[in-house]
Amino acid sequence: NAGVTQTPKFQVLKTGQSMTLQCAQDMNHNSMYWYRQDPGMGLRLIYYSASEGTTDKGEVPNGYNVSRLNKREFSLRLESAAPSQTSVYFCASRAVNTEAFFGQGTRLTVV
Amino acid sequence: QQQVKQSPQSLIVQKGGISIINCAYENTAFDYFPWYQQFPGKGPALLIAIRPDVSEKKEGRFTISFNKSAKQFSLHIMDSQPGDSATYFCAATSNFNKFYFGSGTKLNVKP
Repeated sequence: NAGVTQTPKFQVLKTGQSMTLQCAQDMNHNSMYWYRQDPGMGLRLIYYSASEGTTDKGEVPNGYNVSRLNKREFSLRLESAAPSQTSVYFCASRAVNTEAFFGQGTRLTVV
Repeated sequence: QQQVKQSPQSLIVQKGGISIINCAYENTAFDYFPWYQQFPGKGPALLIAIRPDVSEKKEGRFTISFNKSAKQFSLHIMDSQPGDSATYFCAATSNFNKFYFGSGTKLNVKP
C-alpha cells in the first residue's frame, strides 16, 4: 500500500524556471492538500481540493497553481520559480472525518 | 496571523524524562486537535488526536491535555526515549476542512 506518493523527491530550479510537483494517492480519499514546510514556520497550506473537480486557496497560494486531475492525482505548478519558494513541499490526503496522510515530501531549491 | 501557536521551538530531555509541548489557538470553531510526529526526511504522521469534549486522551506514553476555556492543549511524552527524537506539530481543524499547523517543536531525547 503506497499511500501518498510525491515526485520528484529533490529538485533544483533556476529562478524563472517552471515545474510541476506530482502527487498521487491510492486510498480513495476525497480531499487532497499541498503544504510547504519552512524552518520555524511549520506547515502552511498552499492549496487544497475538497473533492474531485474543486480547488481552493490556502494560506500562501501566491506563485502557485494546482490541478486536481482526477480523484487520485493533485499537482502543484510553479510557473516562474523564485528563491522564496525554496522549501519542502508536502502533499496530503484524507477521507471524510479522518486525519490527513502525508507523502514523503519534495525538497525544492530555487537558485 | 498564525492560527495555532506552538512552544517551545526546541526541547532537550533526558531519557526517562517527561517532554511537554504546548499549543494555543483562538478560533473556537476548531473541533479536532491532532498531533503529528515527523522524523527527518519523512512526512508528518498522526500521533494522537483529541476532540474538545474531553479534557485528556492517553495512548501509551503519549497524552494530550486539553483546556477548552483557556484554548490550550499540550502533548506529554512520559518516559521519553531516544527514539522519540523528532519534530512534533500540533494542529487544529474545523469540520475536518483545512488543517492549521503550529510551527513545530524539535525534540531531542538524550540517552
